[in-house]
Amino acid sequence: AQSVTQPDIHITVSEGASLELRCNYSYGATPYLFWYVQSPGQGLQLLLKYFSGDTLVQGIKGFEAEFKRSQSSFNLRKPSVHWSDAAEYFCAVGSQKVTFGTGTKLQVIP
Amino acid sequence: KAGVTQTPRYLIKTRGQQVTLSCSPISGHRSVSWYQQTPGQGLQFLFEYFSETQRNKGNFPGRFSGRQFSNSRSEMNVSTLELGDSALYLCASSSGLAGILQETQYFGPGTRLLVL
Repeated sequence: AQSVTQPDIHITVSEGASLELRCNYSYGATPYLFWYVQSPGQGLQLLLKYFSGDTLVQGIKGFEAEFKRSQSSFNLRKPSVHWSDAAEYFCAVGSQKVTFGTGTKLQVIP
Repeated sequence: KAGVTQTPRYLIKTRGQQVTLSCSPISGHRSVSWYQQTPGQGLQFLFEYFSETQRNKGNFPGRFSGRQFSNSRSEMNVSTLELGDSALYLCASSSGLAGILQETQYFGPGTRLLVL
């Protein structure tokens, strides 16, 4: 069975600092991998996804993620965080259906 | 283009009642998926409808059902409500031609259901 682990429940970063959100997945082959963002009171928005090809994926809002097969990881990064990035971030894995991680809440301090 | 709309946005029911939630997809989208989000279980896939047919299903009891109309609007029904059904119910739409994994899903703001 596929599963996703987001080990950090809550992360606080200063505005302008870099960000890395961790995601580890469990699946026999290479699944579809996704990162979503959910702002308070909003639905989810897709940041980026990976299935094959270049292991460094560029997404919207300046985010990128790197797929590392050897580590079963798909970490999300952003070089400089803005206050508007404060939200909850979900990693997800999909083969026939999508399984979401438990989410990481990002707080941005000025 | 208008986004995905969900009605109602908030709902309070009591145990044993049933509830129907509605989702209108983005114009032209034929796939609608439903998700349940709770603090305890997180985000879980309920089911997907495409062209009025259920195409995929998650691991939820039969009390959770859905349907899709010819205009692609979808409804989700939960019968015999339990306290644990309190959640944010999200729907997402996509074109449906390639499947929800290959396509970008656009989410609505959700319906928050409280069961007392």
